[in-house]
Amino acid sequence: NAGVTQTPKFQVLKTGQSMTLQCAQDMNHEYMSWYRQDPGMGLRLIHYSVGAGITDQGEVPNGYNVSRSTTEDFPLRLLSAAPSQTSVYFCASSYRTAAHYTFGSGTRLTVV
Amino acid sequence: AQSVTQLDSQVPVFEEAPVELRCNYSSSVSVYLFWYVQYPNQGLQLLLKYLSGSTLVKGINGFEAEFNKSQTSFHLRKPSVHISDTAEYFCAVSVYGGSQGNLIFGKGTKLSVKP
Repeated sequence: NAGVTQTPKFQVLKTGQSMTLQCAQDMNHEYMSWYRQDPGMGLRLIHYSVGAGITDQGEVPNGYNVSRSTTEDFPLRLLSAAPSQTSVYFCASSYRTAAHYTFGSGTRLTVV
Repeated sequence: AQSVTQLDSQVPVFEEAPVELRCNYSSSVSVYLFWYVQYPNQGLQLLLKYLSGSTLVKGINGFEAEFNKSQTSFHLRKPSVHISDTAEYFCAVSVYGGSQGNLIFGKGTKLSVKP
């Protein structure tokens, strides 16, 4: 039972490059979400999904795209990276009860 | 919508002293409440959570928190801290059965324990 797996753990991008952060869970959780963590700002919700084929925007969605074609996977896409997207990204999943969350170990992204 | 306010961004304390990290929330519906800890360069670890029942919740590493519905607070306490408790602490809320089902976080409190 792997829980929530995020890849890669570290990434350096040049401004304007694109990339996908991967998130996979093996617990059959309905809910999945992406957060970014910046100093002094806590964790802010980027996008979330309540089930396969259903996604919606969180607090800071600009510059990011998501899709959820399967229950297990919820990738986060940066289409044109900007220095303001330098951050630590966490993926999380939970059942609909919203009572227990499992977090990935995070991806540290630097955009130069 | 829900929101979380952590009243102190930094809390310095001496080793073996008691500590309280304050958290207030705002919500028009019942919420679940959580405290997470993040050690330097690590991920999030659940300290404790309140779902229902007793308002005093005990967690790992000797931490406890008390849910106060009238004051919409969920303060975290430890009677005697150790150097190893130095970390950032996050309070968060979620809504049962909500359409979002997401955690809403406070901005964090950095606990610094000094010898």
